[in-house]
Amino acid sequence: NAGVMQNPRHLVRRRGQEARLRCSPMKGHSHVYWYRQLPEEGLKFMVYLQKENIIDESGMPKERFSAEFPKEGPSILRIQQVVRGDSAAYFCASSPTSSADTQYFGPGTRLTVL
Amino acid sequence: KQEVTQIPAALSVPEGENLVLNCSFTDSAIYNLQWFRQDPGKGLTSLLLIQSSQREQTSGRLNASLDKSSGRSTLYIAASQPGDSATYLCAGNTGNQFYFGTGTSLTVIP
Repeated sequence: NAGVMQNPRHLVRRRGQEARLRCSPMKGHSHVYWYRQLPEEGLKFMVYLQKENIIDESGMPKERFSAEFPKEGPSILRIQQVVRGDSAAYFCASSPTSSADTQYFGPGTRLTVL
Repeated sequence: KQEVTQIPAALSVPEGENLVLNCSFTDSAIYNLQWFRQDPGKGLTSLLLIQSSQREQTSGRLNASLDKSSGRSTLYIAASQPGDSATYLCAGNTGNQFYFGTGTSLTVIP
């Protein structure tokens, strides 16, 4: 049973470009969470999704960031018009049922904005 | 808003010592509590999970406990080894998200 998979593992973008981060949850998991770890800071919650629904996006910046978890395929975290402050490690986690379950984390995507 | 504090922020010990890492939550209504290990530039490795009905978990040289009444958790590492050197993160969930501490950076000196 493969764990949570994220790709790419490393992503370099220039200011103003778009970044698309992908997360494939563990098999049988229908709940996905995205977290961001800024340099020298702890992990912060961004968004919680179930298939085709955003459940909680209270941690997501209001502009330029969006997330989806389609019926088929991985969850996507999309950052438009990236700025240097978006440079961080983005972690995805999944759980089998409700958010009260433990969450299993992926290896993360390290985004560097030049 | 939940705030998670980990003490100490950094710790350096000689090999073989037993040590305790501390974690406290401002909101003690924690459902699950997890301890993770993070190596530099790497992802999170789950070490121990204390679920809502539990107070303690053990795995090898690691023991974690949770006192829900005070919102405090400790991670005990016995007979530390250089390979234990990493950042240790605690996280608790109260609803949809896990709230993470900023970690304790552990260095075990051979």
